Amino acid sequence: DQQVKQNSPSLSVQEGRISILNCDYTNSMFDYFLWYKKYPAEGPTFLISISSIKDKNEDGRFTVFLNKSAKHLSLHIVPSQPGDSAVYFCAASAYNQGGKLIFGQGTELSVKP
Amino acid sequence: DAGITQSPRHKVTETGTPVTLRCHQTENHRYMYWYRQDPGHGLRLIHYSYGVKDTDKGEVSDGYSVSRSKTEDFLLTLESATSSQTSVYFCAISGGDDQETQYFGPGTRLLVL
Repeated sequence: DQQVKQNSPSLSVQEGRISILNCDYTNSMFDYFLWYKKYPAEGPTFLISISSIKDKNEDGRFTVFLNKSAKHLSLHIVPSQPGDSAVYFCAASAYNQGGKLIFGQGTELSVKP
Repeated sequence: DAGITQSPRHKVTETGTPVTLRCHQTENHRYMYWYRQDPGHGLRLIHYSYGVKDTDKGEVSDGYSVSRSKTEDFLLTLESATSSQTSVYFCAISGGDDQETQYFGPGTRLLVL
């Protein structure tokens, strides 16, 4: 049972445009959500997070939106740059689960010049 | 970058042999985690530790054991490696001021023949 799902395995965007990566979850106990970026042959790098008490969090070109009623979160990258090309993972945790993260399958973003 | 190293970075072994992977941190963080990454599955938690000698199972713990005798080191052991354990293994840590966010090591690529 996949508690965190990223239904788009890949996404291609033109440089300068907006990239929108989506993530859905099923467990209503999740209260903290994170996005990680991963380049080939490297470990995942933390990008941005959001607590369930918020519906939006921004950090530079990256914004995460959380819709609790729909159990959906999205990552917006504006403007997209070729260096953003990577695999993006969303992850979720529940307060009473010892910090364990449940990851989605990942979305490979390709930003074309 | 968080001070996390993993060794070895690459390993080829034969079915039935024992294998130990090491994760070393210099951040003095309380929590340490082992994940495996496989195509189509994202990252899945194998075992985690919430202190010296305190460990617990994750989502895919069968065939794996862990030990943590010092804060800085978390060992993952495959007692008798199988081809299904061919994967990329990532260690992560969390703690300090931001206990919710995990920071990952560079990974170990393991091939079991």
